[in-house]
Amino acid sequence: GIQVEQSPPDLILQEGANSTLRCNFSDSVNNLQWFHQNPWGQLINLFYIPSGTKQNGRLSATTVATERYSLLYISSSQTTDSGVYFCGAGGTSYGKLTFGQGTILTVHP
Amino acid sequence: SQTIHQWPATLVQPVGSPLSLECTVEGTSNPNLYWYRQAAGRGLQLLFYSVGIGQISSEVPQNLSASRPQDRQFILSSKKLLLSDSGFYLCAWSPISSAGYTFGSGTRLTVV
Repeated sequence: GIQVEQSPPDLILQEGANSTLRCNFSDSVNNLQWFHQNPWGQLINLFYIPSGTKQNGRLSATTVATERYSLLYISSSQTTDSGVYFCGAGGTSYGKLTFGQGTILTVHP
Repeated sequence: SQTIHQWPATLVQPVGSPLSLECTVEGTSNPNLYWYRQAAGRGLQLLFYSVGIGQISSEVPQNLSASRPQDRQFILSSKKLLLSDSGFYLCAWSPISSAGYTFGSGTRLTVV
């Protein structure tokens, strides 16, 4: 099956800084999603992005499917951005996702 | 609009007791439904998925089972819980296989 690796595992920032999170996957994918898990455990879908680039406010994501990676950009970080960021990748099989181990982001005021 | 409900939020159960976690989706028809488990706050593991009523596929052989008795209802069960069944259980849905997930709020299960 697909293997998914995320980096860095931990990231500490000062408020206002920018950051880039990376997701590498081992095989071609038709499904790539980014999620934010808040301290209460709720997973929020940030992007469905099997290819190309999308932007939503201070967040943007780019997936280069041919090179098997995706990047999540966070600009002007805020303390509310803290939490764990996961990427999930999958092929054509029923929308199943394999998740990476996540990046723990801590933003200090 | 579509919403997903998952309950209970927390559960403490003794070893050997049965389990039933329920997930329901509103505002859509024939969703894809998924059960994931998250251990120790990192990484989600797919347990079961369903693309229609009565259609359940298992990803990991284990002490758990799933059922989909109605189009928008997905149930995770166990006849006898093990200590290793402790974790954070998350239900998710997507409208089709090539679309984004929406997760429920999760159930924190502690087996004692």
